[in-house]
Amino acid sequence: DTAVSQTPKYLVTQMGNDKSIKCEQNLGHDTMYWYKQDSKKFLKIMFSYNNKELIINETVPNRFSPKSPDKAHLNLHINSLELGDSAVYFCASGIATNEKLFFGSGTQLSVL
Amino acid sequence: RKEVEQDPGPFNVPEGATVAFNCTYSNSASQSFFWYRQDCRKEPKLLMSVYSSGNEDGRFTAQLNRASQYISLLIRDSKLSDSATYLCVVKRWGSQGNLIFGKGTKLSVKP
Repeated sequence: DTAVSQTPKYLVTQMGNDKSIKCEQNLGHDTMYWYKQDSKKFLKIMFSYNNKELIINETVPNRFSPKSPDKAHLNLHINSLELGDSAVYFCASGIATNEKLFFGSGTQLSVL
Repeated sequence: RKEVEQDPGPFNVPEGATVAFNCTYSNSASQSFFWYRQDCRKEPKLLMSVYSSGNEDGRFTAQLNRASQYISLLIRDSKLSDSATYLCVVKRWGSQGNLIFGKGTKLSVKP
């Protein structure tokens, strides 16, 4: 069983479209994250949710909206996609008291 | 200045070589330290935590110098399967799970 699964693995879309990436974890963790890895390979945190509550919201355009329907899911919705949004987006989960993160396999987003 | 800085490499070494990676961090309020490994087109995975007293896991040794704000990773007897990018990661005090990643050092082990 995959511990942290995100879909889709690849997402190719036109500028201006709205898209969503889904993430689910079956590890029983209470905290989930979205990270972005750009073409320069820097991995930067975007959002963090603990028990469905937003606890970290880094400087991210408000076109990006995370949604956590329950502890096991954290989806990322992106409105009005721009060329600069092209990157690999990683979902991750962990326990708030433990710093080890488990990452999903990533979603390669390409905006044309 | 980036909060976590690493030599990007690549480090090209023969099998069996010993290789060392260095990392510096700028925020003295950093609390915890880690090395993650990321294979090409894959997700990052925790390799090991880094403790002040230094710690070893098989062929891997991690060291931390808080005074110099410096972290290192030593890989002995390198294997082909060690080829990957090694990410230096720090966590700030009080920041719940907010890990700051370095850009990574790429290692290529050749036969």
